[in-house]
Amino acid sequence: AQKITQTQPGMFVQEKEAVTLDCTYDTSDQSYGLFWYKQPSSGEMIFLIYQGSYDEQNATEGRYSLNFQKARKSANLVISASQLGDSAMYFCAMRDYNQGGKLIFGQGTELSVKP
Amino acid sequence: GAVVSQHPSRVICKSGTSVKIECRSLDFQATTMFWYRQFPKQSLMLMATSNEGSKATYEQGVEKDKFLINHASLTLSTLTVTSAHPEDSSFYICSAPYAGGRYEQYFGPGTRLTVT
Repeated sequence: AQKITQTQPGMFVQEKEAVTLDCTYDTSDQSYGLFWYKQPSSGEMIFLIYQGSYDEQNATEGRYSLNFQKARKSANLVISASQLGDSAMYFCAMRDYNQGGKLIFGQGTELSVKP
Repeated sequence: GAVVSQHPSRVICKSGTSVKIECRSLDFQATTMFWYRQFPKQSLMLMATSNEGSKATYEQGVEKDKFLINHASLTLSTLTVTSAHPEDSSFYICSAPYAGGRYEQYFGPGTRLTVT
């Protein structure tokens, strides 16, 4: 069975500094997709970044980059130049292509950006 | 871009009543939609996969008779919480994968259900 693990319940970062949110995954599939979502207090799920299992380069989207270590089965999110508006819950997720494409989520990390 | 809407955004109901939550894909067709439940400070847990024109697939431990799912068209899925109890109070979110060549799923804004 697929599993996503986020071991950091909460993280603090100083404004303008970079922060790394950890995510490890477990799957026996060769083809999978890894996602990061941001969830502010409003509850909406905001897509941040995607990494396919066959992508050779790490994904980047503006201030977000995904450090994909396939052999270690890790997909850490790096946020550069943190902003106060980055304070939110962050979820790592894996897409199960064998079961209709449903997403399996990690436990989440609550990020707080300090001014 | 693709948008998924949910209605209502908030609902308060009395114990024992039923509540219907609608999930609509606004500018794309979704043969599959997913329903998640999220308790405070917890992750999203998949409840069921809604399939247009066929029965929903429920995750282990989710009561199909309590959480009725109907995917009546390519743009609408509904979740009905029957005989709601206070422990059903939660944040319910639907999502739909976009089949237009992109990879991400689009999430609705969620429905906060409070059962008194």
